[in-house]
Amino acid sequence: GQSLEQPSEVTAVEGAIVQINCTYQTSGFYGLSWYQQHDGGAPTFLSYNALDGLEETGRFSSFLSRSDSYGYLLLQELQMKDSASYFCAVRDQNTDKLIFGTGTRLQVFP
Amino acid sequence: DTEVTQTPKHLVMGMTNKKSLKCEQHMGHRAMYWYKQKAKKPPELMFVYSYEKLSINESVPSRFSPECPNSSLLNLHLHALQPEDSALYLCASSQDGSGLGNEQFFGPGTRLTVL
Repeated sequence: GQSLEQPSEVTAVEGAIVQINCTYQTSGFYGLSWYQQHDGGAPTFLSYNALDGLEETGRFSSFLSRSDSYGYLLLQELQMKDSASYFCAVRDQNTDKLIFGTGTRLQVFP
Repeated sequence: DTEVTQTPKHLVMGMTNKKSLKCEQHMGHRAMYWYKQKAKKPPELMFVYSYEKLSINESVPSRFSPECPNSSLLNLHLHALQPEDSALYLCASSQDGSGLGNEQFFGPGTRLTVL
């Protein structure tokens, strides 16, 4: 099965850079995705890493290292609106199910 | 149209009621999903429909009954629920059910309270 662990909470100030880690134990997956969810809202897709390395999308970057069973989401130039929960997720190669990590609540302070 | 819509937004029901949650997408996606999410927890997969056929049922109790009338619609019929079923129910869709990095688009959810 799949198990993805994230820190439960991260705090930072506006303008800062924050990294949200995702460590996993998995028997095989297609790639690592990241989703953002504001309180009371729906998860929205942020990024996907099919291969090892860094993917950059504006202020957000995501990294995957399969050899280290590790990935992270990097948020730069933090804004108040970035306060939300962030989930890493993998699609299991055997079952095709999207498995979510434990989630990290990011709080951005002025 | 890149939106998944869900109705109702909020639902309060008693344990003897029967109700249905509805989900709709017009992106031409062929895979649709139901998730259950408790507060401060990640979404948990309940059902997957791929090309209008039920492909995954995550051992969900029979008091939850999914239905996919066509490729754009997904329903979740609820009957004899328990208070512990209170949660946010999320619908999602993706291009198809394959595993190659398919982004899932989520609806806003139905906040269900069972009294």
